Amino acid sequence: RKEVEQDPGPFNVPEGATVAFNCTYSNSASQSFFWYRQDCRKEPKLLMSVYSSGNEDGRFTAQLNRASQYISLLIRDSKLSDSATYLCVVRYSGNTPLVFGKGTRLSVIA
Amino acid sequence: NAGVTQTPKFRVLKTGQSMTLLCAQDMNHEYMYWYRQDPGMGLRLIHYSVGEGTTAKGEVPDGYNVSRLKKQNFLLGLESAAPSQTSVYFCASTRDSGAAGNQPQHFGDGTRLSIL
Repeated sequence: RKEVEQDPGPFNVPEGATVAFNCTYSNSASQSFFWYRQDCRKEPKLLMSVYSSGNEDGRFTAQLNRASQYISLLIRDSKLSDSATYLCVVRYSGNTPLVFGKGTRLSVIA
Repeated sequence: NAGVTQTPKFRVLKTGQSMTLLCAQDMNHEYMYWYRQDPGMGLRLIHYSVGEGTTAKGEVPDGYNVSRLKKQNFLLGLESAAPSQTSVYFCASTRDSGAAGNQPQHFGDGTRLSIL
């Protein structure tokens, strides 16, 4: 079983739509969770951290379900500029490297 | 404020040649990482370092060596390049693990390496 699993997509959605991605992780002792965004041929960039109580940043909402070991990202009112690959990222403990999912590709269509 | 800088950005090598990729960060970060990214494979950790003078193997270390002689620099070496090492290489750094390991990683903009 992969450590961090994501649906690769692509998710093709019209502008203004709401889209949600899920990610599952295998290590129940995981401590830290992030969503990164990667544009084509660019480096990954931190989109947001994911906190236990859930958190929101503008149109983006991240949630964590420790019991089911999954993380979600909700994007409201999708923009063309949201088109990218979204990487789910987990850290098992304070001293271990981040573990990246393979990413979910989103295309927002006019 | 350069952040994480990778050198070179592009390189073409012949099989068997050697080269070194340089990663430099100006944020005084303790932890540094080298990843490779291939289509359909996601980011895979090659080697990492938790501080000056230390290195550790990641998921795919074979065929690569690293050195962290200075805190700000992390070098990735290919002793004898193979076509299977054609990839995009990303360097990243993070301040330290933090109390709860919640420090994100900052990436360089990548090195595109082709081995013929």
